[in-house]
Amino acid sequence: GDSVTQMEGPVTLSEEAFLTINCTYTATGYPSLFWYVQYPGEGLQLLLKATKADDKGSNKGFEATYRKETTSFHLEKGSVQVSDSAVYFCALRGGSNYKLTFGKGTLLTVNP
Amino acid sequence: EAGVAQSPRYKIIEKRQSVAFWCNPISGHATLYWYQQILGQGPKLLIQFQNNGVVDDSQLPKDRFSAERLKGVDSTLKIQPAKLEDSAVYLCASTLQGPNTEAFFGQGTRLTVV
Repeated sequence: GDSVTQMEGPVTLSEEAFLTINCTYTATGYPSLFWYVQYPGEGLQLLLKATKADDKGSNKGFEATYRKETTSFHLEKGSVQVSDSAVYFCALRGGSNYKLTFGKGTLLTVNP
Repeated sequence: EAGVAQSPRYKIIEKRQSVAFWCNPISGHATLYWYQQILGQGPKLLIQFQNNGVVDDSQLPKDRFSAERLKGVDSTLKIQPAKLEDSAVYLCASTLQGPNTEAFFGQGTRLTVV
């Protein structure tokens, strides 16, 4: 079945550092790919998405490119802020029923 | 636009008791998901509805968990009897039909089984 593997956390960075959170997936067909974010005390919310190969999703300075050849969707940000501290989840939606499958999440802490 | 509503926000019960969670999705969203999120882990899909029909319940522990979505709108998830390992946050999400649409999540219900 479909699965998502993302890098283990926690990740701790200083403000203005470069961020990469790796995500790879296994799926049949051509899934849509998502990054969701969960800020402390809040619910899950969509950060960005890409629906086909080579698409780049972007939002709030974060970017991720749908790489079909490497089945990856790595999240990047050039300069993180303290306010980016949260748990980040990579997810895919695919199959005949459009099942939404999540990775285990990566906790990011950004220190001033 | 109103978001996905869930209640209650918090629930503490003793093991072997029963509990029910309620979800009201965004109006017009045909697909509804229930997830279980154990502390420190990613959300695990329990059941997926398309309108009022079940399309995936492969990971639902059917000996104790049940869910329904009457009239294709609101949904309830029930646990009977609860076990200690059911302590988790139960998330409801809804989407429009189609593969590329965003899932909107409720705030979740935090269940503690003691």
